[in-house]
Amino acid sequence: ETGVTQTPRHLVMGMTNKKSLKCEQHLGHNAMYWYKQSAKKPLELMFVYNFKEQTENNSVPSRFSPECPNSSHLFLHLHTLQPEDSALYLCASSQEMAGSTNEKLFFGSGTQLSVL
Amino acid sequence: RKEVEQDPGPFNVPEGATVAFNCTYSNSASQSFFWYRQDCRKEPKLLMSVYSSGNEDGRFTAQLNRASQYISLLIRDSKLSDSATYLCVVLNYGGSQGNLIFGKGTKLSVKP
Repeated sequence: ETGVTQTPRHLVMGMTNKKSLKCEQHLGHNAMYWYKQSAKKPLELMFVYNFKEQTENNSVPSRFSPECPNSSHLFLHLHTLQPEDSALYLCASSQEMAGSTNEKLFFGSGTQLSVL
Repeated sequence: RKEVEQDPGPFNVPEGATVAFNCTYSNSASQSFFWYRQDCRKEPKLLMSVYSSGNEDGRFTAQLNRASQYISLLIRDSKLSDSATYLCVVLNYGGSQGNLIFGKGTKLSVKP
């Protein structure tokens, strides 16, 4: 299934490293999202982009920096992360932004991030 | 009170059993409701939307009780392949846009 693809699948980085997560959707959707999933916690929304414009920043620390060059691509740039940032980072897309009454999210397979 | 609350389980049931999951939500103005399924080490996938009148999709039945702010998912004739974590999701509106709020999920394990 190639609807929403994320790379890399796994990432190990030190606290001083800079890395980027990439997401690409092939569904022609207009909205893209970054979610964080930590162990024993619900999915947490981080950022929302609608037609390339950021519409939501859910109080995310500045060490996470999103970039959306076009409606099909979304990046999450990481720098000076902390061990507590270790989690599964999921990209998702939807036809419209999650504001219509029956919006469905399509998720990528995620990047499992470990910060040492 | 948490925004979306689910029994974490795990629910361990034999094949063929009927199992029900419950979910409560705190915002009485919540608009839409969904169940997502997440397999181990995989991404969540939409299982079904939940409509006010209740809806059924094969062995799966979803119910909504707005008065009690309660959603349920019933799985009949459980299969081994139903083993997964089931996420309750609620759409809340804040200002001009909606936000999807996820529960922690309920883990189901179906045994032979």
